[in-house]
Formats: sequence, C-alpha cells, structure tokens
Amino acid sequence: EAGVAQSPRYKIIEKRQSVAFWCNPISGHATLYWYQQILGQGPKLLIQFQNNGVVDDSQLPKDRFSAERLKGVDSTLKIQPAKLEDSAVYLCASSTRDRSYEQYFGPGTRLTVT
Amino acid sequence: AQSVAQPEDQVNVAEGNPLTVKCTYSVSGNPYLFWYVQYPNRGLQFLLKYITGDNLVKGSYGFEAEFNKSQTSFHLKKPSALVSDSALYFCAVRAPGVGSSASKIIFGSGTRLSIRP
Repeated sequence: EAGVAQSPRYKIIEKRQSVAFWCNPISGHATLYWYQQILGQGPKLLIQFQNNGVVDDSQLPKDRFSAERLKGVDSTLKIQPAKLEDSAVYLCASSTRDRSYEQYFGPGTRLTVT
Repeated sequence: AQSVAQPEDQVNVAEGNPLTVKCTYSVSGNPYLFWYVQYPNRGLQFLLKYITGDNLVKGSYGFEAEFNKSQTSFHLKKPSALVSDSALYFCAVRAPGVGSSASKIIFGSGTRLSIRP
C-alpha cells in the first residue's frame, strides 16, 4: 500500500514570496490533515478535511494560509505572503473516517523562509 | 482543554538496557493516547495507541506503553534498547467522543532518544 505522498521535500523562499505544497493521501482515506512542525516542537494541526469539506481550521492563519481539497483526494496548502516564522516542516497526514485516531503521515516539506 | 507533556527533551540509554520515555496528559474524560516516532528526514510513524482495555499496550518494534489513569501518564518503554531506536518520540492525546474538537490530536514537544552502543 502506497503511503502519503508530499512534494516538494524542501523549499527555500524569501519572505513575502508565496509557496504551495501538495499532498496525496493514502487511497480511500477520507480525512486529510495538514500540520505545521516548528523545530523543537510537536506537530500542530493547521487544517482538517473530511472528503472535500473543512472540519477544523481553527489554527490556520487565514490571512496568509489557504488550503483546498477540491475533489476530495489530493490537497494543496498555500502560504502567501510568507514570513520568517513560517519556517517549519509541513506534514500531511490521512486517516479513514472512522479511525481518525490512527493517522498516517507523509515525509513532510521542509520550508525555509529567508 | 487537552494537553500533553513530555518532561524530558532527551533520554540517553546504553544499548541493551531498558528505556523509558515519559508522558503525562490532561484531558476531560477517558483519553485516547498515542506514541509516534520520527526518524531524520522522515514523517511521523505510528507506534501504538491506547483506546480502552488493558493498561499495557504493545506496539511496533518491541515498544510498549502503560496507561496509568491515577497518574495521568502514558510512558513508553522497551526492555532492551537498540541503537536503531535512536529517534524523536512524540506522545499525543485525543479527547474521546465525536465532533471536530474531539478528533483533534494534540502532540507533545517530543523527546529525543539516543542509544549509545
């Protein structure tokens, strides 16, 4: 079974630029999550999708971050404009709808904002 | 609000010795508890979970964890450490029930486990 795929693996941008990350969850997983993991901290949930609908985006900085999952499969997370404090690893995870406590994570995208 | 604490930033153990990585939690009701491991340049991997039942749960790679309700703890253990166990370990908690707030998993800050040969 293929795991959660993410791209790119690494990205370096200057502040005020924009960036987008892509995630393809495990086939059949209805729930998709985006997490932000700052160095030295645990992952923090940014947004959770159930199929193509948003379940929880309470910790998403909506003035600069956006995410979509238009067809209920893959998803993109965008930052525009980026700030220095956005430097982090962005993790995508997926789960089945009835086992949301068992999440499978992708390798992450390491973003460096200079 | 639910929270989880990992009081040790780093744990150092000699290969072959037993290891313990500590975790305490705060949540209303009976918690769902998890351990994840993160190897360098890789995503988090699920190790084990406690939902209900036996307080001692067994997971991947020979790890186990003991749920202690009175001490609100869920420490990760392994009887004999391997050098390959060196990684970053995260404890996580989720409130029971349904709904978006309940399904959110809160992660601890992580403990770096270093096993010396």
